[in-house]
Amino acid sequence: AQSVTQLGSHVSVSEGALVLLRCNYSSSVPPYLFWYVQYPNQGLQLLLKYTSAATLVKGINGFEAEFKKSETSFHLTKPSAHMSDAAEYFCAVISGNTPLVFGKGTRLSVIA
Amino acid sequence: NAGVTQTPKFQVLKTGQSMTLQCAQDMNHNSMYWYRQDPGMGLRLIYYSASEGTTDKGEVPNGYNVSRLNKREFSLRLESAAPSQTSVYFCASSASGHNQPQHFGDGTRLSIL
Repeated sequence: AQSVTQLGSHVSVSEGALVLLRCNYSSSVPPYLFWYVQYPNQGLQLLLKYTSAATLVKGINGFEAEFKKSETSFHLTKPSAHMSDAAEYFCAVISGNTPLVFGKGTRLSVIA
Repeated sequence: NAGVTQTPKFQVLKTGQSMTLQCAQDMNHNSMYWYRQDPGMGLRLIYYSASEGTTDKGEVPNGYNVSRLNKREFSLRLESAAPSQTSVYFCASSASGHNQPQHFGDGTRLSIL
């Protein structure tokens, strides 16, 4: 069965600093991997999706993630944090024909 | 574009009461999902419907029932609410296949006293 581990339930960065949110997955077959973002009092929105077409995936709002099979990782990055990036971020994995499995989330705070 | 609409947005119940959460999507998606979100737990799948006429249990189905009323609507019922079911409930939909991106509603915040 697949699983996802997000390292750090809370990450705090200064405005303009690099954002790095970590995600490691476990899957017995090649996975599909997703990052979603949740703003306060809203549902989740898709940031980006890995489908094996390219290991570096670009998403919305300047975010990108790199799939590293050897490290079973799919970390999310953004070169320069903006105040509007403050939200909760979820990594999720699918492998085979089973439904999406979400990590427990990382709350990103951006300090002015 | 409405996307995924959930009703109600907030509800307070007493232990033992029953309630149905409604979800409708206007994107002609085949698959629909119900999740609950609890602090520090991420999203956990309660039930899903891969297509009209089918439903399957997810990770935490106990205490819940679902109905896929038609292609647009997927409801979640609590027959006898318990305090442990206090949570935020999200409905989502996607095109066919679990590897398709899911579109989420804004959630129903449910408190059970």
